Amino acid sequence: NAGVMQNPRHLVRRRGQEARLRCSPVKGHSHVYWYRQLPEEGLKFMVYLQKENIIDESGMPKERFSAEFPKEGPSILRIQQVVRGDSAAYFCASSPRAGVAGVSYNEQFFGPGTRLTVL
Amino acid sequence: AQSVTQLGSHVSVSEGALVLLRCNYSSSVPPYLFWYVQYPNQGLQLLLKYTSAATLVKGINGFEAEFKKSETSFHLTKPSAHMSDAAEYFCAVRLIQGAQKLVFGQGTRLTINP
Repeated sequence: NAGVMQNPRHLVRRRGQEARLRCSPVKGHSHVYWYRQLPEEGLKFMVYLQKENIIDESGMPKERFSAEFPKEGPSILRIQQVVRGDSAAYFCASSPRAGVAGVSYNEQFFGPGTRLTVL
Repeated sequence: AQSVTQLGSHVSVSEGALVLLRCNYSSSVPPYLFWYVQYPNQGLQLLLKYTSAATLVKGINGFEAEFKKSETSFHLTKPSAHMSDAAEYFCAVRLIQGAQKLVFGQGTRLTINP
């Protein structure tokens, strides 16, 4: 079974450029989560998507960041006009369905991450 | 809002010694709790999870954790450390109902001395 795939694994951008990070969830999973890990810090939630819907974007910066999970194809995290502070590891996780109270928990499976460096 | 505090950003133990990584959480309602391990330049791997069943949870690689509601703690232990246990460990919390996002602690880097 293929796990969560992320590409590229490493991405270098100059300030002002755009960064596109891709995440292919585990086959059959319809829920995707993006997390950011700044150097020497834990992971911080950014956004939670289902197919064609953004469910929770409470962790997304208000500007320059956007995410989508189309009906077909991978989920994309897009960062416009990158700045040095965007340098971080971006992790994607997927799950087959949202957990429901009283029903068995639903685990998030993490990908290997994309390490973004902004020069 | 939930939060997680991991006491000690760096822990160093000798090979064969007890490993104890501390995690305290704050949540207004009973949560799910998790421990993840991250090896250098890799993603996160689930070690174990507490989901309202047994309070003592056994995970992979000989790790276990005990949920103590009265202490709001979920400390991770392993009786005998191996060199291969050297990694970053993250405690995380998630609501049982509502928001699906994981809230992580800042991590503890475990070093094993030969």
